[in-house]
Amino acid sequence: DTGVSQNPRHKITKRGQNVTFRCDPISEHNRLYWYRQTLGQGPEFLTYFQNEAQLEKSRLLSDRFSAERPKGSFSTLEIQRTEQGDSAMYLCASSFLGAGYTFGSGTRLTVV
Amino acid sequence: AQTVTQSQPEMSVQEAETVTLSCTYDTSESNYYLFWYKQPPSRQMILVIRQEAYKQQNATENRFSVNFQKAAKSFSLKISDSQLGDTAMYFCAFMKHEVQGAQKLVFGQGTRLTINP
Repeated sequence: DTGVSQNPRHKITKRGQNVTFRCDPISEHNRLYWYRQTLGQGPEFLTYFQNEAQLEKSRLLSDRFSAERPKGSFSTLEIQRTEQGDSAMYLCASSFLGAGYTFGSGTRLTVV
Repeated sequence: AQTVTQSQPEMSVQEAETVTLSCTYDTSESNYYLFWYKQPPSRQMILVIRQEAYKQQNATENRFSVNFQKAAKSFSLKISDSQLGDTAMYFCAFMKHEVQGAQKLVFGQGTRLTINP
């Protein structure tokens, strides 16, 4: 098991474009989380899946953001019509029955 | 809502010294967990130490220990015999205990720790 994998590691996009990030959690982990970390700040919760069900979303997750976890395996986070304020590190984490998080290395998004 | 405050944006010590990072939190919950996470430059966040609020005994992991003061809502991290590899951002985090809920983490702003040779 190689831990939580996130792709791509870096993404530069023009304002207004759509981007999609992928997270592959630890295979036996049923919980998957997305967090956003802006420069110099701690991560902030975005959304949470238990298996394939998205059970909680933060107010930070505007209508331009959508996340999926088909079949309870990998997850994708899509941002539509990106804005400069979306520039951040997007972190994925997984856990099993809340036993403790394992974080991925993150996807750094830069919107120009 | 819970909040976590780390009042030291940056700290710097010499190798082998002891350093203490501060964290305070605010919550009305009685059952929760507190964590310290380490985020090395360009690397993933890893768990340093965890404390259950119902436990009076302070958690210890090798060179890392905490001073948990529940009444004061304070949770500091002490790193003994600091090493160059301890250089990283350190985040204090709170998690409400909820068996069926999201178990999401609330993080502080972080403390950038530099260990100098």
